[in-house]
Amino acid sequence: RKEVEQDPGPFNVPEGATVAFNCTYSNSASQSFFWYRQDCRKEPKLLMSVYSSGNEDGRFTAQLNRASQYISLLIRDSKLSDSATYLCVVTAIGSSNTGKLIFGQGTTLQVKP
Amino acid sequence: DGGITQSPKYLFRKEGQNVTLSCEQNLNHDAMYWYRQDPGQGLRLIYYSQIVNDFQKGDIAEGYSVSREKKESFPLTVTSAQKNPTAFYLCASSPEGWRNQPQHFGDGTRLSIL
Repeated sequence: RKEVEQDPGPFNVPEGATVAFNCTYSNSASQSFFWYRQDCRKEPKLLMSVYSSGNEDGRFTAQLNRASQYISLLIRDSKLSDSATYLCVVTAIGSSNTGKLIFGQGTTLQVKP
Repeated sequence: DGGITQSPKYLFRKEGQNVTLSCEQNLNHDAMYWYRQDPGQGLRLIYYSQIVNDFQKGDIAEGYSVSREKKESFPLTVTSAQKNPTAFYLCASSPEGWRNQPQHFGDGTRLSIL
């Protein structure tokens, strides 16, 4: 089982739609969680950190469910500019791995006019 | 502007050749990292360094080497022992107390085989 798993998609949605991505992680002791955005042939950029209480940044909402070991990202009122690959990132735990980031393969979102 | 600069953007390697990818940061970050990304794949950690003059192997270090002689610089050498070097290489850094911190990325180097 991969340490961080995401549905690769692509998710094709019309402008204005609400779309949700899920990500599961295997290490129950993981401590920090992030969503990154990566545009085609570009570097990943931090979108938001994910907190236990859930957090919101404009149209984006991140949730963490530790019991079920999954993280979600909700995008409301999708814009064409939201088209990108969204990477789920979890910190590794255990001896020399502690604190290292583990990246999911990404979920691709394509927003259509 | 503070940031991470990678060079070159594109690099071609001949068989049996070593090539070095540059990564410089002016964010005053202690920790630096090198990742490799293949099409449709997540990022895989090659090497990382938490302080000057110290670095550790990541998950796929074979065929690569690094140095960390200065805080702001973390060059990666892709040696001839790396048999499948074609990939997108990303350098990242994070601040002191690097554990559990998000990382900031350079804009990458695309390496191809001639």
